[in-house]
Amino acid sequence: AQSVTQPDIHITVSEGASLELRCNYSYGATPYLFWYVQSPGQGLQLLLKYFSGDTLVQGIKGFEAEFKRSQSSFNLRKPSVHWSDAAEYFCAVVTSGGYQKVTFGIGTKLQVIP
Amino acid sequence: EAGVTQFPSHSVIEKGQTVTLRCDPISGHDNLYWYRRVMGKEIKFLLHFVKESKQDESGMPNNRFLAERTGGTYSTLKVQPAELEDSGVYFCASSHQGQGARYFGPGTRLTVT
Repeated sequence: AQSVTQPDIHITVSEGASLELRCNYSYGATPYLFWYVQSPGQGLQLLLKYFSGDTLVQGIKGFEAEFKRSQSSFNLRKPSVHWSDAAEYFCAVVTSGGYQKVTFGIGTKLQVIP
Repeated sequence: EAGVTQFPSHSVIEKGQTVTLRCDPISGHDNLYWYRRVMGKEIKFLLHFVKESKQDESGMPNNRFLAERTGGTYSTLKVQPAELEDSGVYFCASSHQGQGARYFGPGTRLTVT
């Protein structure tokens, strides 16, 4: 069965600093990978996804993620964090063959300090 | 385009009571999913509807949970009787065929006391 590990439960960064959120997955085949963000009081919003092709994926709000098959990783990055990026971020993998069921990581809470 | 909506946003009930959560998917989305996040844990899949049919209910924790999607539009998730461990945030998501769970609602926070 597939699994997703987000090793950092909480991360604090200064506004304007760069950000990298880690995600490792375990899945036997080529995965479909996602990053979602949940801001306070909001639903889960899709930031970006990887299905195939270019391993560097651009998303909304200035985020990007890189798929590294050799490391089973799909880390999320942003070069300069804004205070509005404070939220909880979830990495997820979807089973192939119809990619219906989403398996989520435990989430990383991002705090942005002035 | 209206997003996925869920009602209520928050529900506090006593152990043994019944609660019904509602999800209205994006219009035209045949796929509807329920997920749950228990405090401090991962968001877990509960079940998946395609139109009014249950495609996969492997994540439903036990027979106290009943999900319906009459007419293939909105869905309800009933918990009867509620137990303390049912507390958490229940998310609904919808998508067109083949997209996976892409559009999530804001969730319903259920607290069982």
